[in-house]
Amino acid sequence: EAEVAQSPRYKITEKSQAVAFWCDPISGHATLYWYRQILGQGPELLVQFQDESVVDDSQLPKDRFSAERLKGVDSTLKIQPAELGDSAMYLCASSFDPHQETQYFGPGTRLLVL
Amino acid sequence: QQQVKQSPQSLIVQKGGISIINCAYENTAFDYFPWYQQFPGKGPALLIAIRPDVSEKKEGRFTISFNKSAKQFSLHIMDSQPGDSATYFCAASKEGAAGNKLTFGGGTRVLVKP
Repeated sequence: EAEVAQSPRYKITEKSQAVAFWCDPISGHATLYWYRQILGQGPELLVQFQDESVVDDSQLPKDRFSAERLKGVDSTLKIQPAELGDSAMYLCASSFDPHQETQYFGPGTRLLVL
Repeated sequence: QQQVKQSPQSLIVQKGGISIINCAYENTAFDYFPWYQQFPGKGPALLIAIRPDVSEKKEGRFTISFNKSAKQFSLHIMDSQPGDSATYFCAASKEGAAGNKLTFGGGTRVLVKP
């Protein structure tokens, strides 16, 4: 069964350092989402891609976060500089197209900022 | 603004019992209401979903009850099993220009005791 792949699974970094997360969606899925899930809360959308284009980044803290999906397949989410409050699970999800209601989530990257 | 409120935050149920999780939403434009199940170390996975044109949907031991006038919906897990121990998230979405954007509740951690 096809799955969304994410790496690394765990990341520990120090405050003010740069960190990057990678996501490979299910093959053929044009829509890709990055979510942040703070411990004990539900996922919150950070950015949505349709192919290589950003269609919604209204909740992305653009002063420190950036995301790209250069070839419309895999994607990278970067934080620079990391802050203590960025400690969370970062989830990637994909769907066949933006109108498909089911989103398929990867296992996430758990980030701890010290 | 928390648009989807979920309760309780946690519950413990005996094997064979019924688990009930409730969600309330504010935005009457929402037209799709999924429940996601998340096991530790895994990303959320779609469990069951409902649209507001029906009041109930059942899939195996899982049932969604939907009350459009009250803007509430709930998940019932019948004959709860230890393998159902997980965190459950309700969500809501509405079709927009960028597709379906999911808004998640805060989650309910369910523990089924053998």
